Amino acid sequence: DTAVSQTPKYLVTQMGNDKSIKCEQNLGHDTMYWYKQDSKKFLKIMFSYNNKELIINETVPNRFSPKSPDKAHLNLHINSLELGDSAVYFCASSQDRGGNTIYFGEGSWLTVV
Amino acid sequence: AQSVTQPDIHITVSEGASLELRCNYSYGATPYLFWYVQSPGQGLQLLLKYFSGDTLVQGIKGFEAEFKRSQSSFNLRKPSVHWSDAAEYFCAVVGPINTGTASKLTFGTGTRLQVTL
Repeated sequence: DTAVSQTPKYLVTQMGNDKSIKCEQNLGHDTMYWYKQDSKKFLKIMFSYNNKELIINETVPNRFSPKSPDKAHLNLHINSLELGDSAVYFCASSQDRGGNTIYFGEGSWLTVV
Repeated sequence: AQSVTQPDIHITVSEGASLELRCNYSYGATPYLFWYVQSPGQGLQLLLKYFSGDTLVQGIKGFEAEFKRSQSSFNLRKPSVHWSDAAEYFCAVVGPINTGTASKLTFGTGTRLQVTL
């Protein structure tokens, strides 16, 4: 069983569209994250949720809205997509918010054309 | 705030040769350190981690890393590289730890390993 799974793996869409990426973890972890990897492979945290509560919100355009319906799921919705949003988005989870091993999903490759 | 530096952007080694990838960190207390590997078109896989204790940690795929507090380093090593090790390697530090503030993983910029046959 995949520990952290995200869908879709590949997504090609036009500028201005709205899209969502879904993430689920079956590790029983309390904390989930979204990371963005840009074209230069740089990885940076976007958001973190702990038991459905937003605990980290980095400087991210408000076109990006995370939603956590329960502690096993963390979805990322992006409005009015721009070319610069093209990146790989990684979902991840950890036992809790206090500093633990973080496990990553396989990534979602988003291309905006 | 914590930070990680990987000074080598790209390294090429011959198959069978030894490998050392450098990582330096900045963190105010004892760090929690990680190495992740990303194969082309793939996700991030945890190779190994250091939380405390023995400063030489063993990981998967024959990798090991040594924590050196005096040098603020956590270099990754492998005695004999295989062609399948060609990938991007990321060093990372998590913090703050157990302070009540949410922790986050901060990555270095990565080192791309190329293996020649």
